[in-house]
Amino acid sequence: EVQLVQSGAEVEKPGESLKISCKGTGYSFTDHWIAWVRQVPGRGLEWMGIIYPGDSDTRYSPSFQGQVTISADKSITTAYLQWTSLKPSDTAMYYCARRASRDQEYFDNWGQGTLVTVSS
Amino acid sequence: QSALTQPRSVSGSPGQSVTISCTGTSRDVGGYDLVSWYQHHPGKAPKLVIYDVTKRPSGVPDRFSGSKSGSTASLTISGLQAEDEADYYCCSYAGGFSYVFGGGTRVTVL
Repeated sequence: EVQLVQSGAEVEKPGESLKISCKGTGYSFTDHWIAWVRQVPGRGLEWMGIIYPGDSDTRYSPSFQGQVTISADKSITTAYLQWTSLKPSDTAMYYCARRASRDQEYFDNWGQGTLVTVSS
Repeated sequence: QSALTQPRSVSGSPGQSVTISCTGTSRDVGGYDLVSWYQHHPGKAPKLVIYDVTKRPSGVPDRFSGSKSGSTASLTISGLQAEDEADYYCCSYAGGFSYVFGGGTRVTVL
């Protein structure tokens, strides 16, 4: 069974750094791109970026380029989303999602979400 | 990239049909037959219900159907059931390994 299991909720102060994770199991982790998607409270989904764990090729939405870093460690089948200096506006639920396969532009499995709260 | 435009909410009685529109541009919805739809119950992981505009993953009831005309895609839920009450998001491939989501539509079963 394909599963994406995300790390738990985080409460951080502005200016702090944070790295959240998404562990993929039940499939060949290096064969599928993993995307990160943000949902600000009361708002819709926003595509942040995507990584290919096989070679760490990473693409970012222009809205998030330079604001976050997406990475992956294929040895432990885990993708990451990190911030170096959090802002209150980063408060949101973050989802990871698996791109179905080569040439298939949709996300067939999603993590349960990680709630990040940034508040002083 | 601007978010795709969806109605904020639609509603219907059990057994009725509802249709959710998703309007983009020629750079996303209109440029590719690569629109997907996701059902999102609050507090749970989003679930794929339609991909490639019209295709349904195994396990998704056939009361969910998708279509597209020009730069507007649509999701229709026929024979509305109580468990269909959720938020629905469209998503389109926008070229160059980029994607854009819609703002989401709350479906209410009256």
